[in-house]
Amino acid sequence: ETGVTQSPTHLIKTRGQQVTLRCSSQSGHNTVSWYQQALGQGPQFIFQYYREEENGRGNFPPRFSGLQFPNYSSELNVNALELDDSALYLCASSLLRLAGRIRNTGELFFGEGSRLTVL
Amino acid sequence: SQQGEEDPQALSIQEGENATMNCSYKTSINNLQWYRQNSGRGLVHLILIRSNEREKHSGRLRVTLDTSKKSSSLLITASRAADTASYFCATAFPNTGGFKTIFGAGTRLFVKA
Repeated sequence: ETGVTQSPTHLIKTRGQQVTLRCSSQSGHNTVSWYQQALGQGPQFIFQYYREEENGRGNFPPRFSGLQFPNYSSELNVNALELDDSALYLCASSLLRLAGRIRNTGELFFGEGSRLTVL
Repeated sequence: SQQGEEDPQALSIQEGENATMNCSYKTSINNLQWYRQNSGRGLVHLILIRSNEREKHSGRLRVTLDTSKKSSSLLITASRAADTASYFCATAFPNTGGFKTIFGAGTRLFVKA
């Protein structure tokens, strides 16, 4: 068990709707990353939050947005859903060290994912 | 395009044989990681190798890193049917404010009993 939980596990939406996916990170981790994984593909980086601020973004439009809260939870919001948004959405928590000269990142701890189907 | 690319895309072997998967990447990295994913599930971290390391072992896993060639390999020895899964390499490289960890497309491993 990674200590990372995601909800819901499955959901079905229609084109144009909005969706919020939730993630509870492992205690003590200061970073959460979100990935989109289409069937048969590798996870695609959406964005990363460090101490409640976005500090990295992949090639995704602004209708993909997120939040990270002080209690280690986070959200991924997707507006104006399109058919191609159908995928497994994965969140991963990690510990990022940026103190002084130490700049290091470690392994990612993944949740089981939220499978979104857009009809 | 993806930072890491795995080779081969798919691999089918007999139980007891060794499985070797390769990964190539494009930019300077902080570390390289290998993950495993069973169908439709979350990814599980297997091993992390930092940019100043050349080889690392964990049980039946052996990872090598050649930063001059920007490549890594994952060797699974004495494979078992339970090793059947997708394997991904992921590279962590500096990004504004921190690091990004980017995944390749994966190698699908099938181990026949």
